[in-house]
Amino acid sequence: DIQMTQSPSTLSASVGDRVTVTCRASQSISSWLAWYQQKPGKAPNLLIYKASTLESGVPSRFSGSGSGTEFTLTISSLQPDDFATYYCQQYNTYPITFGQGTRLEIK
Amino acid sequence: EVQLVESGGGIVQPGGSLRLSCAASGFTFSSYWMHWVRQDPGKGLVWVSRINNDGSGTVYADSVKGRFTISRDNAENTLYLQMNSLRAEDTAVYYCARTPIGYSNFNYWGQGTLVTVSS
Repeated sequence: DIQMTQSPSTLSASVGDRVTVTCRASQSISSWLAWYQQKPGKAPNLLIYKASTLESGVPSRFSGSGSGTEFTLTISSLQPDDFATYYCQQYNTYPITFGQGTRLEIK
Repeated sequence: EVQLVESGGGIVQPGGSLRLSCAASGFTFSSYWMHWVRQDPGKGLVWVSRINNDGSGTVYADSVKGRFTISRDNAENTLYLQMNSLRAEDTAVYYCARTPIGYSNFNYWGQGTLVTVSS
């Protein structure tokens, strides 16, 4: 199985900050990576797919990059609504696997 | 508007069975592959199973293989997950999710249904 490792596990930041979350795959997944945002008690929400393509309706302050084994999610200027947990997911190979999550909290 | 609505969760004893349903609307259900993803309380996301659009192909996580069965009724626009021989570690919120045609990122999710396995 492909292991997905996110860092950091928790990130403290302030409104207006630029933040980056990293996701590493245990083997190459080309660009078959998605990022999700999840708020407590809610289903995840797709932000980015194919490593860097913004899902329709997602604010442009979210961006993704990377290929192969290393990927990043960047939020250019944090907004109050962005404090949530973020997950990466690989869909290059079954079983589909997720990172363990990065909790973004208010500093 | 795409909607996925899960039902069938509840409390079951270890070794018991439960069948989850996911009612789909707002899209041509028979055209899309569907998945189940679960989330342990307070923990991360775990993919469980996938079924292709006509039900002829299924894939399972090793942790549920031989115990869970995914199926669908395209006439009723409904996805199912039959869960047998349930274990405490199967306790989770179960989501059904849809992927775009040809890809396996999840662009639509249901609200989830909680399954608790406990004596």
